[in-house]
Amino acid sequence: QSVLTQPPSVSAAPGQKVTISCSGSSSNIGINFVSWYQQLPGTAPKLLIYDNNKRPSGIRDRFSGSKSGTSATLVITRLQTGDEADYHCETWDGSLSSVVFGGGTRLTIL
Amino acid sequence: QVQLQQWGAGLLKPSETLSLTCAVSGGSFSGYIWSWIRQPPGKALAWIGDISHIGMASYNPSLKSRVTLSVDASRGRFSLRLNSVTAADTAVYYCARGFCSGGNCYLGRRFDPWGRGILVTVSS
Repeated sequence: QSVLTQPPSVSAAPGQKVTISCSGSSSNIGINFVSWYQQLPGTAPKLLIYDNNKRPSGIRDRFSGSKSGTSATLVITRLQTGDEADYHCETWDGSLSSVVFGGGTRLTIL
Repeated sequence: QVQLQQWGAGLLKPSETLSLTCAVSGGSFSGYIWSWIRQPPGKALAWIGDISHIGMASYNPSLKSRVTLSVDASRGRFSLRLNSVTAADTAVYYCARGFCSGGNCYLGRRFDPWGRGILVTVSS
């Protein structure tokens, strides 16, 4: 059972928008910065979003992040077949004194 | 472009020690935290710990008693040792470069880039 809760799966058609949630608590998301990673099948995770809503160089603006209270959200717009992957949220948990990850959400493009 | 190349034994017996090394190329070794993260088959990512270029380490409390991280800054390498492995330690192990949010690791960390990962299987 992961400290951060994500839906196991989401799906949408090409060109559409999808939202992936990440629910935590006052000891993690509530007070710390959230990052998001994309993991294409059989590959290592890749940083998509950091500090809640910042994109690393090279990440398209189709990917955006936000945080409110103890939850964070990743939004992907104008979906493409190449976006089919697992998406993971991550933050620091002050009570556990550890980096914590969500269970991951598999995005399927219909 | 920073690249991380990792290597180590991929098959261990229970009670043996897992040993992996990650080499950094194409960028500075100082000023970052060098991290290990694992992912059991079909399961979530899990942070193992990280270490600075001067050897200051942080560990996941759930693994701390069995983990040792070390660094060889002169060669741009860092290593993971996990002793007394069991089947529960079977996972893909990734090394990664870590950043601290706003310079404070207790506000958040991010990992970029990651190594390709090594599948370590523990089986008798």
